[in-house]
Amino acid sequence: GESVGLHLPTLSVQEGDNSIINCAYSNSASDYFIWYKQESGKGPQFIIDIRSNMDKRQGQRVTVLLNKTVKHLSLQIAATQPGDSAVYFCADQASSTGNQFYFGTGTSLTVIP
Amino acid sequence: GAVVSQHPSRVICKSGTSVKIECRSLDFQATTMFWYRQFPKQSLMLMATSNEGSKATYEQGVEKDKFLINHASLTLSTLTVTSAHPEDSSFYICSATAELYEKLFFGSGTQLSVL
Repeated sequence: GESVGLHLPTLSVQEGDNSIINCAYSNSASDYFIWYKQESGKGPQFIIDIRSNMDKRQGQRVTVLLNKTVKHLSLQIAATQPGDSAVYFCADQASSTGNQFYFGTGTSLTVIP
Repeated sequence: GAVVSQHPSRVICKSGTSVKIECRSLDFQATTMFWYRQFPKQSLMLMATSNEGSKATYEQGVEKDKFLINHASLTLSTLTVTSAHPEDSSFYICSATAELYEKLFFGSGTQLSVL
């Protein structure tokens, strides 16, 4: 992830619509990526992960897309629900340099009932 | 999924005192634990990487004498904020992983308020 320290961008969607949250990373050596959801005052919760040998991975109502060419990651949430309201972060790891995960800026998602 | 327990969840202390935060992996052996710091409405900032039995590796700009990390066993890491000052007030979160390519599991965080 990149841009740590900047304030969170926000996204508002209507309940039932699909949400797309984007993330850019800067390290071309990053080869493992995770999306996390964080609710206020809590630690991040794992949503979905993807390795660099894939460009798409699907979970339950969520899909992660990876574009290594432009170093971009996206999280798609289908049929967004009020319980999806939270801050979403991507994190990346470059296995060649260690096992640290660095977090992106994050996006605050608000679902309007 | 794996459980990481962090304690305390909230602490208020006077300026100049030291505060210890514990992070435990409850159902797996964590070869590596990470400590993050988070300011309101901002992202998680990696402070240090802690490997069991060895000295922690600190990120650039993080004072190792200020933030003491001990990883005495495969299930416990502690972060001690020494001589805390109001600017140390923040949300501190630990995480643990078992091996490379394993996803991070996070504790519930500790809100530190220094008066």
